[in-house]
Amino acid sequence: AQSVAQPEDQVNVAEGNPLTVKCTYSVSGNPYLFWYVQYPNRGLQFLLKYITGDNLVKGSYGFEAEFNKSQTSFHLKKPSALVSDSALYFCAVFKAAGNKLTFGGGTRVLVKP
Amino acid sequence: GAGVSQSPSNKVTEKGKDVELRCDPISGHTALYWYRQSLGQGLEFLIYFQGNSAPDKSGLPSDRFSAERTGGSVSTLTIQRTQQEDSAVYLCASRSSRATNYGYTFGSGTRLTVV
Repeated sequence: AQSVAQPEDQVNVAEGNPLTVKCTYSVSGNPYLFWYVQYPNRGLQFLLKYITGDNLVKGSYGFEAEFNKSQTSFHLKKPSALVSDSALYFCAVFKAAGNKLTFGGGTRVLVKP
Repeated sequence: GAGVSQSPSNKVTEKGKDVELRCDPISGHTALYWYRQSLGQGLEFLIYFQGNSAPDKSGLPSDRFSAERTGGSVSTLTIQRTQQEDSAVYLCASRSSRATNYGYTFGSGTRLTVV
């Protein structure tokens, strides 16, 4: 069965510092990986995805993620965090068999001024 | 429409009452999903519709939950005899059938509070 793990419930970072949100996956075959962000009282917004190709994927709002097959990871990164990046972040994996995304438990990011 | 629309945005209901939550997906998206997000929790898959195929109901937590999708477009999630543990945000998402697009577009959700 496919699964996604986000080992950190919360990440605290000072504004201007690098931000990393961790995600590891377990899926047979080629993984299709996603990051979504949820701002307070809002639905989930798509940030970026890895389907195939370059391991470094660039997405919205200056975020990027690196697909690492040997470590089965897909960590989300941003070089310089903003207070407005404070939100709930979800990693997800899509498996064609079943046709649905399976989400990690989410990581709350708090960026302090 | 331009995005996935859900209504109502908020619903407060008394325990034991039935509720209906509506989702209007992006025009042309053949796949439609319902997820539940309990307070501070991750997303729990509920049900998936794909075109005219039989829905994948494997995530529905009990027989009090049901959903339908009429005409391949609008979907309604119905919860009968609501319980306090049903309180959550119910999120709908739709997806294009194009082979290279596996990601969802989410609505803003319906926050259900059972009192």
